Amino acid sequence: AQKITQTQPGMFVQEKEAVTLDCTYDTSDQSYGLFWYKQPSSGEMIFLIYQGSYDEQNATEGRYSLNFQKARKSANLVISASQLGDSAMYFCAMREGPSSGAGSYQLTFGKGTKLSVIP
Amino acid sequence: GAGVSQTPSNKVTEKGKYVELRCDPISGHTALYWYRQSLGQGPEFLIYFQGTGAADDSGLPNDRFFAVRPEGSVSTLKIQRTERGDSAVYLCASSPTTGNEQFFGPGTRLTVL
Repeated sequence: AQKITQTQPGMFVQEKEAVTLDCTYDTSDQSYGLFWYKQPSSGEMIFLIYQGSYDEQNATEGRYSLNFQKARKSANLVISASQLGDSAMYFCAMREGPSSGAGSYQLTFGKGTKLSVIP
Repeated sequence: GAGVSQTPSNKVTEKGKYVELRCDPISGHTALYWYRQSLGQGPEFLIYFQGTGAADDSGLPNDRFFAVRPEGSVSTLKIQRTERGDSAVYLCASSPTTGNEQFFGPGTRLTVL
């Protein structure tokens, strides 16, 4: 089974509107972390936001917020007031807890969502 | 301060050749990761170093792949007898400790002809 599922290969959003990028995850660990990265056409992975499994409040970073629904195992990224520079690939990733043994700290990525912001 | 740097940015080689890809992490970061990103996919984990030792190499696809980090800073990913299927972008990331945000380098695009 996929550990990270991003069901939207591509999304379009009008400039200045909000957009939600979906991410669901699968883990049996109690302690884990969820990340969102942005990858523009230049190729570099840019960290956006982090949510720990024990964090009670949804993470926010500027225009980015993470809609964390633990029971549903979803960690959707919300981008408010979209800008043209937001056009990029967006990857959801998970780091499973230290109790899982070998490979504890690697990130497992989804296949990504390509966001296009329309002027 | 300087971010993670990777050299070369592009490498074209012929099938069967040996290649080395270098990663220079952020100064003071003890954890270093290598990932491989094929076209249209998310990055896939290869190997993780904590200091000088490879703490987890479970993602290396086969014994043609090897990585070292002799002084706990710069790391080199080595690929022997390259195959066309090795063509991908190889990403390096570092973090101050394990479990924290990983900072990625710009990647090395490897093309095997």
